Amino acid sequence: NAGVTQTPKFQVLKTGQSMTLQCAQDMNHEYMSWYRQDPGMGLRLIHYSVGAGITDQGEVPNGYNVSRSTTEDFPLRLLSAAPSQTSVYFCASSPRTGGLAGGRDGNEQFFGPGTRLTVL
Amino acid sequence: AQSVAQPEDQVNVAEGNPLTVKCTYSVSGNPYLFWYVQYPNRGLQFLLKYITGDNLVKGSYGFEAEFNKSQTSFHLKKPSALVSDSALYFCAVRDPGTASKLTFGTGTRLQVTL
Repeated sequence: NAGVTQTPKFQVLKTGQSMTLQCAQDMNHEYMSWYRQDPGMGLRLIHYSVGAGITDQGEVPNGYNVSRSTTEDFPLRLLSAAPSQTSVYFCASSPRTGGLAGGRDGNEQFFGPGTRLTVL
Repeated sequence: AQSVAQPEDQVNVAEGNPLTVKCTYSVSGNPYLFWYVQYPNRGLQFLLKYITGDNLVKGSYGFEAEFNKSQTSFHLKKPSALVSDSALYFCAVRDPGTASKLTFGTGTRLQVTL
């Protein structure tokens, strides 16, 4: 298994450009999440999904869109990049062993290697 | 709302000495607690978790953590530190009713020296 893969590893954008960060997992996990990591702030949840066709906002969703058309893929779209979106982005997945509305399974998340994004 | 505090930005310890990385949490119900480690330019790796049961949980690479409900703490420990343990450590909490929404602390950098 490749686990959680993210592309690209590095990206430089100009303010106002749009792009999509790709995330894929081959573990058949229902849960997938996007985080951003900034110095001194830990990881903050951007968007998450509990299954194909279901997404929801996290702590810092503004400026980002997601969709989940398949179990395997969870792309993150930056609509109009801003310097404040300069960060390292991590995708994560975990299995769901409980019911859809529960989330009481306590499974740990598996993280991808990250995408380092710079917005000029 | 759930939250996690890691009060130390950095912990320095000599190789062979015991180490402790502190974590306190706030959550409305019984928490699910996790420790992750991040090596330079890498993603996060899972170390250990507390879901229920024994308050002392053991994880990867000789690490362990003790859940203390009265002090709302989940400190990470290792009896004998290695230079290779030097990394960034994150504590995270999840309310069992919130699906996959993890809340992370700000991280503690562990520096182990010879």
